[in-house]
Amino acid sequence: GAVVSQHPSWVICKSGTSVKIECRSLDFQATTMFWYRQFPKQSLMLMATSNEGSKATYEQGVEKDKFLINHASLTLSTLTVTSAHPEDSSFYICSAPGTGDYGYTFGSGTRLTVV
Amino acid sequence: DAKTTQPPSMDCAEGRAANLPCNHSTISGNEYVYWYRQIHSQGPQYIIHGLKNNETNEMASLIITEDRKSSTLILPHATLRDTAVYYCIVRVGGSEKLVFGKGTKLTVNP
Repeated sequence: GAVVSQHPSWVICKSGTSVKIECRSLDFQATTMFWYRQFPKQSLMLMATSNEGSKATYEQGVEKDKFLINHASLTLSTLTVTSAHPEDSSFYICSAPGTGDYGYTFGSGTRLTVV
Repeated sequence: DAKTTQPPSMDCAEGRAANLPCNHSTISGNEYVYWYRQIHSQGPQYIIHGLKNNETNEMASLIITEDRKSSTLILPHATLRDTAVYYCIVRVGGSEKLVFGKGTKLTVNP
């Protein structure tokens, strides 16, 4: 089946630094990828939609200059959290429409801790 | 906003059937019902989906009412590994974004 590989699985960074999270579709092409954020004991919140070859679409309230999304190829989308602060600590998850009509495939998530 | 309503939590005994309800009273005729689950600190996992007929796969069964305003996910023989948050989502097919509600936290007890 369709697999989305997400790296790193966890990262700790200092306040003010930037962190890049990668999502790769391993056995299919993903022209669209979705990025979610999840705080403890809460549901997934959609942050943005990345589209290969064009600008990402951000959900209301999400700062596009802080969460940089690049979808440079049909198999790779990246999310960069710039100038990270402790309140950015969260679980970040990507997903892509899978093959056929079997819903979306999700990455395994990245636990970001900003200290 | 999410278009579904689910109970916040449910318990089930190991080996028994787990029946998770979902209300989607405003569902449109071309919207599918999808079920995902999320085990702690992992990405969501696809379970099953349907339009109006009942569906069954190796993981679960999906029962959709005739008026399509509600559905039930059935895990026929729940195991401890089925403990997770289960999300019911309605969406049109294609590349439309998935909007998650709060889901149901299912706890399977030994």
